[in-house]
Amino acid sequence: AQSVTQPDIHITVSEGASLELRCNYSYGATPYLFWYVQSPGQGLQLLLKYFSGDTLVQGIKGFEAEFKRSQSSFNLRKPSVHWSDAAEYFCAVLSPGGDDKIIFGKGTRLHILP
Amino acid sequence: EPEVTQTPSHQVTQMGQEVILRCVPISNHLYFYWYRQILGQKVEFLVSFYNNEISEKSEIFDDQFSVERPDGSNFTLKIRSTKLEDSAMYFCASSWGVGETQYFGPGTRLLVL
Repeated sequence: AQSVTQPDIHITVSEGASLELRCNYSYGATPYLFWYVQSPGQGLQLLLKYFSGDTLVQGIKGFEAEFKRSQSSFNLRKPSVHWSDAAEYFCAVLSPGGDDKIIFGKGTRLHILP
Repeated sequence: EPEVTQTPSHQVTQMGQEVILRCVPISNHLYFYWYRQILGQKVEFLVSFYNNEISEKSEIFDDQFSVERPDGSNFTLKIRSTKLEDSAMYFCASSWGVGETQYFGPGTRLLVL
């Protein structure tokens, strides 16, 4: 069965510092991969997605993610975080050509120190 | 930019009561979904809907749940007789095709007392 693992429940970084949020997936082939962000009291906003092609994908708000097939990973990065990036981040997968449901990780809550 | 909208943003109900959660998907999308997130847990798939019928549903989506597209714009989730454990944030999503990006609404926070 497909699964998504986000090993870090909470991460705290200082404003201006770089960020990397980890995500590993379990799936027989290469799934479609997503990162969503949920700000307090808000819905799920799509940050970026990977379907195929270039393994480094750019998203909104200065985020990027790199798909590494050998590691079954899709880590999210940002070179310099802003206080407004404090939120919960969800990695998710969707099986191409299979069922149409997104499988989410448990999320990583990002805290920003001033 | 078009977006998915949901009403109400918050709903408080008594156990055993019926609730209807409403969603307006993005206008040219054809596939519609409901997910839920119990506090502190991961977002879980409930049901997908296409061409006026359920495409797939999870084990959570039992006989107490139903979905409907009553007109050309709304997509609703009904819980017939709410239980305490139905308390959660319910997200609607839509996409234009299978395997395509699903766009989520802001959610309805349901509290069952």
